Amino acid sequence: EAEVAQSPRYKITEKSQAVAFWCDPISGHATLYWYRQILGQGPELLVQFQDESVVDDSQLPKDRFSAERLKGVDSTLKIQPAELGDSAMYLCASSQKSEAFFGQGTRLTVV
Amino acid sequence: QKEVEQNSGPLSVPEGAIASLNCTYSDRVSQSFFWYRQYSGKSPELIMSIYSNGDKEDGRFTAQLNKASQYVSLLIRDSQPSDSATYLCAVKTTDSWGKLQFGSGTQVVVTP
Repeated sequence: EAEVAQSPRYKITEKSQAVAFWCDPISGHATLYWYRQILGQGPELLVQFQDESVVDDSQLPKDRFSAERLKGVDSTLKIQPAELGDSAMYLCASSQKSEAFFGQGTRLTVV
Repeated sequence: QKEVEQNSGPLSVPEGAIASLNCTYSDRVSQSFFWYRQYSGKSPELIMSIYSNGDKEDGRFTAQLNKASQYVSLLIRDSQPSDSATYLCAVKTTDSWGKLQFGSGTQVVVTP
């Protein structure tokens, strides 16, 4: 069964350090989403790609976050520098037409 | 006002009973609606999708959509302890690229 792959599963980093997350969507899925989920809240959309183009990054803190999907397949989300408030689950999802499927997520702890 | 609203719960349901979850949304032109189940510490798992007014049944789950009233609901029949989780309502906009927005989730606790 096709799955969205994410790595790493867990990441502990010190504040002010750089951190990166990787996502490989289900093959053939043109739409890729990155979400941040803080404990007790729903997922918050950070950035959405359609193929290699960003179609929504209105909630992405652009002073410290960046995202790319250079060949329209896998994607990387970077935080530099990390802050204590960035501790959360970072989720990647992909979609072909309507339904979106999530990877296992990356649990980030900033200390 | 959040674009997708859910009661946070917890919703306590006796085993074998029906759990009823509600969700309202603000964008009147939204076209696609989804329910995800999320166990503690895990990622969301898609359990139901609904696109037109009325009911859609899948096993013990029934999704109901009323676009005129801008709400979507999820019924879980014969609730089991394994149904204890947070249920997320998600709405997809009609933009050409389909922005997918989530509510804050309703925690369901099924008690034996």
